[in-house]
Amino acid sequence: QKEVEQDPGPLSVPEGAIVSLNCTYSNSAFQYFMWYRQYSRKGPELLMYTYSSGNKEDGRFTAQVDKSSKYISLFIRDSQPSDSATYLCAMSARLGGKLIFGQGTELSVKP
Amino acid sequence: GAGVSQSPSNKVTEKGKDVELRCDPISGHTALYWYRQSLGQGLEFLIYFQGNSAPDKSGLPSDRFSAERTGGSVSTLTIQRTQQEDSAVYLCASSLGQSGNTIYFGEGSWLTVV
Repeated sequence: QKEVEQDPGPLSVPEGAIVSLNCTYSNSAFQYFMWYRQYSRKGPELLMYTYSSGNKEDGRFTAQVDKSSKYISLFIRDSQPSDSATYLCAMSARLGGKLIFGQGTELSVKP
Repeated sequence: GAGVSQSPSNKVTEKGKDVELRCDPISGHTALYWYRQSLGQGLEFLIYFQGNSAPDKSGLPSDRFSAERTGGSVSTLTIQRTQQEDSAVYLCASSLGQSGNTIYFGEGSWLTVV
């Protein structure tokens, strides 16, 4: 069993839809949770960073962490075609430690 | 430059040859990471440097893989006697280490072994 599980999709939604992306994990030591966005043939770029449980909002993006369920989510409101990319969850047990990534979910937002 | 720089951006090599991939991290970043991404897969951790030492090299897949970092800056990932299964994107990233968890990635080195 992988430490971090993420549905690879692909996920296709119409423009303006609310998108929900999720990851589950098995290591209870994880405390730092991140979402990265990766466009085709580009390196991943950090979207959201959350420490421990709770919610964090940044514009159209909301990250949620539920440590009791070992479950994290990323919501995208009013999705745009420019949001089409692969979204990777990542987590680590300590500051500066290695990140463990999910497989990534490929998202396509259709105009 | 302002970001993580990797070279070469693309490399095609014959099976059995050695390859070297270079990473120039963001200035001042003490931590440096190498990850591998195969087609349609997530990022697989290879090795982590703090300064010039590698406290975690648990992800290196075999003894054909090695990495070094000199001067607390540039890192080189070397793959000896390349095999076709080594074909992947090799991503380098850097961060402030224990001062911060934000990891910045380069664009990757796309390796194809034929």
